[in-house]
Amino acid sequence: DAEITQSPRHKITETGRQVTLACHQTWNHNNMFWYRQDLGHGLRLIHYSYGVQDTNKGEVSDGYSVSRSNTEDLPLTLESAASSQTSVYFCASSENLVKETQYFGPGTRLLVL
Amino acid sequence: GESVGLHLPTLSVQEGDNSIINCAYSNSASDYFIWYKQESGKGPQFIIDIRSNMDKRQGQRVTVLLNKTVKHLSLQIAATQPGDSAVYFCAENSGGSNYKLTFGKGTLLTVNP
Repeated sequence: DAEITQSPRHKITETGRQVTLACHQTWNHNNMFWYRQDLGHGLRLIHYSYGVQDTNKGEVSDGYSVSRSNTEDLPLTLESAASSQTSVYFCASSENLVKETQYFGPGTRLLVL
Repeated sequence: GESVGLHLPTLSVQEGDNSIINCAYSNSASDYFIWYKQESGKGPQFIIDIRSNMDKRQGQRVTVLLNKTVKHLSLQIAATQPGDSAVYFCAENSGGSNYKLTFGKGTLLTVNP
């Protein structure tokens, strides 16, 4: 069955380190999104992509970057991890149609010490 | 600014009762809405969606109602079961040719046996 996966599921890192979170979907969706979820804030959009080689900043993009070299993957990189980036990160994808739902991965819980 | 919010942050019901979760939206241009369910430690799961040309849509034990006049969305769960215990949140697409969603902060539904 088609699905969306994230790895690792849990990560502990130190301040200043570079961290990359993986997201892989097998639906052949053009659209992919990265969110962070924190208590009191709900889901906030970090970066998104509407296709290969396309990337866009979301509302909380500072300190994060993404690249889209193929349809299936949208890795999220924290250039220099900060304690404020401790959060749960969700990847999502949707079909290349306006007004279509997004399907979420299981999440990555990141702790920055 | 434009936002999606919820009237009730928590809702506790008895098993077998019907549950109603509400959501207010402020963007009158929004024309596509989704309800998600998120269980502890998991990613958001699609429940049901509705487009602005509809007032009501039914799924299995769930019904979504849309009142565009007062910009209000509700999710009704019939015969609530313990497995329905989760955080529920609504999301909106603000119209136009974009694929982004804006998410509410969520309502915690607790089903008591």
